[in-house]
Amino acid sequence: NAGVTQTPKFRVLKTGQSMTLLCAQDMNHEYMYWYRQDPGMGLRLIHYSVGEGTTAKGEVPDGYNVSRLKKQNFLLGLESAAPSQTSVYFCASRERENNEQFFGPGTRLTVL
Amino acid sequence: AQSVAQPEDQVNVAEGNPLTVKCTYSVSGNPYLFWYVQYPNRGLQFLLKYITGDNLVKGSYGFEAEFNKSQTSFHLKKPSALVSDSALYFCAVRDMRGGGSYIPTFGRGTSLIVHP
Repeated sequence: NAGVTQTPKFRVLKTGQSMTLLCAQDMNHEYMYWYRQDPGMGLRLIHYSVGEGTTAKGEVPDGYNVSRLKKQNFLLGLESAAPSQTSVYFCASRERENNEQFFGPGTRLTVL
Repeated sequence: AQSVAQPEDQVNVAEGNPLTVKCTYSVSGNPYLFWYVQYPNRGLQFLLKYITGDNLVKGSYGFEAEFNKSQTSFHLKKPSALVSDSALYFCAVRDMRGGGSYIPTFGRGTSLIVHP
């Protein structure tokens, strides 16, 4: 079991560029989440999904889009990156009946 | 609405001494409560959770937490701190009421520093 994996681990973008972050889990979890972590802000939820083909907005969704075409994958897209999106991004997943979340190792994104 | 507060940005403790990392919460219904730990440059790892039952919950790495409903607290404790316990600790809460949130709310995190 690889658990939750994230691709890429690091990325530097210029303002206005686009990119997609990939989260994959091999635990057959129903729920998946994208968070961003900024100093002093803790974890803030961007978007989440409660099943294949469904997504919903979290606390800070602006500037991001997501898709969950397959149960095991949850993609986070930045259409036009801004310096304010410089952050560490974490993906997490959990089973429907279990409350414990499993987190990926994170993606460190810098937008210049 | 649900919320969680970790009143200390940083906790310093000497190795071998007991440690406490504080967490208070607010939910409309009954809470699910969690502690996670984050080591440098890593994702969060689950430590322990309170769902129902015994107010003292034991978790990984010798940590435990005590659920106190009257004080709406869920403080993380360890009898004897290790230098390797130095990390960032997050408390999280989710309302147990059905039909509501699938989403836990996380605190801002407390940096634990254990001095040799």
